Amino acid sequence: QSALTQPASVSGSPGQSITISCTGSSSDIGGYNFVSWYQQHPGKAPKLIIFDVTNRPSGVSNRFSGSKSGNTASLTISGLQAEDEADYYCCSYTSSSTRVFGGGTKLTVL
Amino acid sequence: QVQLVQSGAEVKKPGASVKISCKTSTYTFTNYYIHWVRQAPGQGLEWMGVIVPDGDGTFYAQKFQDKVTLTSETSTQTVYLEVNSLRSEDTAVYYCAREGYGDKTPHFDQWGQGTLVTVAS
Repeated sequence: QSALTQPASVSGSPGQSITISCTGSSSDIGGYNFVSWYQQHPGKAPKLIIFDVTNRPSGVSNRFSGSKSGNTASLTISGLQAEDEADYYCCSYTSSSTRVFGGGTKLTVL
Repeated sequence: QVQLVQSGAEVKKPGASVKISCKTSTYTFTNYYIHWVRQAPGQGLEWMGVIVPDGDGTFYAQKFQDKVTLTSETSTQTVYLEVNSLRSEDTAVYYCAREGYGDKTPHFDQWGQGTLVTVAS
């Protein structure tokens, strides 16, 4: 199972919006609405911010939103804040009942 | 609150094995799968495998099938990851993560703090 494809880095200024893409195949992202997104600050464990493509866990800011079209999922962060600077990973359930992560995207808040 | 507490950092020589623990608390142990994910230095997350906590099944990524063993101990609500035949490429932080099943969908809602395993001669 190959890793999902994410851009290595994205950047934006405070207050702006950014979108991170995550591309897979019909065997993972395209086949199921089980895409989740994780935020990881340096030296910390990942934190769930989006599950089932669009759902936010309790306590996660509504500035984070998710979507999917075909084999590509996206994470949008609106109203960028300095604290959003982190690595972001997508993850999908697969047809083999495994899980597969994206390579990760480093978000820089300028 | 829900806790997954992992054992401490390990330093091992090439060819050795390491066994890491993930002790869970404040939730019904048997209602959630425990997955293991590793992260090599400066690299991304990599899914390794999953165990049904009542010991009724394990499932590994193909890459790790002959490399790792997952076990659980319901009496202490602890899950273990054993990695054998260690090589320098196994140097990484290993995370356990919880995933609900049944009426829940696949996603990792709680993570352990991570255990750094360093393989060096």
